[in-house]
Amino acid sequence: AQSVTQLGSHVSVSEGALVLLRCNYSSSVPPYLFWYVQYPNQGLQLLLKYTSAATLVKGINGFEAEFKKSETSFHLTKPSAHMSDAAEYFCAVMLYTGGFKTIFGAGTRLFVKA
Amino acid sequence: DTGVSQNPRHKITKRGQNVTFRCDPISEHNRLYWYRQTLGQGPEFLTYFQNEAQLEKSRLLSDRFSAERPKGSFSTLEIQRTEQGDSAMYLCASSPGRVPDTQYFGPGTRLTVL
Repeated sequence: AQSVTQLGSHVSVSEGALVLLRCNYSSSVPPYLFWYVQYPNQGLQLLLKYTSAATLVKGINGFEAEFKKSETSFHLTKPSAHMSDAAEYFCAVMLYTGGFKTIFGAGTRLFVKA
Repeated sequence: DTGVSQNPRHKITKRGQNVTFRCDPISEHNRLYWYRQTLGQGPEFLTYFQNEAQLEKSRLLSDRFSAERPKGSFSTLEIQRTEQGDSAMYLCASSPGRVPDTQYFGPGTRLTVL
């Protein structure tokens, strides 16, 4: 069965520190992978997506993610955290099963300390 | 591009009542998705439309749930005989239909069943 696991429901970093949010997936077929962000009182919006064109994917606001097939991972990173990065982050896998179905992870809430 | 809109934003109902939610996707987006999100969890896939055709439906969706997209534009999600366990945020997303598909999410409808 396909699934997405996000390690750590809460991550806290200091402003300026590295952000690392972990995502592992299981899929029997090559997946499409996404990271979405949800700011307080706002809808989900796309950060970045893996399209198989390149294993290192750059997204908005300085975020990037690396697809590692051998590790079935798609971890999200940002070199230097900003206070405005505080939000909930969701990793997702999209599968084609006759129609498109997206499975989301449980989410990781990022806290940024001044 | 006015974004995905959902109405109502909040709904409080008594157990056993029927409720209906509406989603207006971004114009010309041919795919429309419904999700349910509970506290501390990621969005859970409910169903997906390609134009007016419902192509995928979660097995978790009981017979009390039904969704329509009659003209391939707006969609409605109806829950009959609501139960307290139906209390959640119901999210709608639309996409233009290019694989891999970026979904654009609405603000959600928060349902509270008393």
